[in-house]
Amino acid sequence: DAKTTQPPSMDCAEGRAANLPCNHSTISGNEYVYWYRQIHSQGPQYIIHGLKNNETNEMASLIITEDRKSSTLILPHATLRDTAVYYCIVRVARGYGNKLVFGAGTILRVKS
Amino acid sequence: GAGVSQSPSNKVTEKGKDVELRCDPISGHTALYWYRQRLGQGLEFLIYFQGNSAPDKSGLPSDRFSAERTGESVSTLTIQRTQQEDSAVYLCASSLEGGGAYEQYFGPGTRLTVT
Repeated sequence: DAKTTQPPSMDCAEGRAANLPCNHSTISGNEYVYWYRQIHSQGPQYIIHGLKNNETNEMASLIITEDRKSSTLILPHATLRDTAVYYCIVRVARGYGNKLVFGAGTILRVKS
Repeated sequence: GAGVSQSPSNKVTEKGKDVELRCDPISGHTALYWYRQRLGQGLEFLIYFQGNSAPDKSGLPSDRFSAERTGESVSTLTIQRTQQEDSAVYLCASSLEGGGAYEQYFGPGTRLTVT
């Protein structure tokens, strides 16, 4: 699976949009971009995933560049409860048993 | 609906003892994964089940580690002769199918402490 690069940490003011970047310049055409987050002392939580098109759900939006070499996770109105480690993961679509390979992620601190 | 559950939530054991960790996946999820997370570290993949079979055991760190799944449901991870380096949070995840297009849902984990 393609390697991803994320900033180690970011701060965001409560109520503002949090924009978390991810670089995946070696992504292949059949690889999805996944985002998970891990709040302290909890298991990872699925947020969103996409292949080519931008995606939106009740938690966040995922913007993927046209060349698919980078993406941005957007939390539109960050709250203190969004403070967590956010992981960007690239994962092949084909086959079975595709384990998630977690990197270091981005520590997002939402501040009041 | 119910999510992935794991038991016990915490386990303290003495070095050399065997432990069993349990995972109850989301009903109907055919794929089940075990991961380990040491303190301050990222998640490490251990094993993957598709149904009751384990086609990928590549992450099991030694032959002291084993896992089984029955009824395409509950899974048990067993660690024999525990060592202090086995101390970690053990996380279970399940997904509808094993393909990469299907997201994994994680349980709360079992925190294992080997003294």
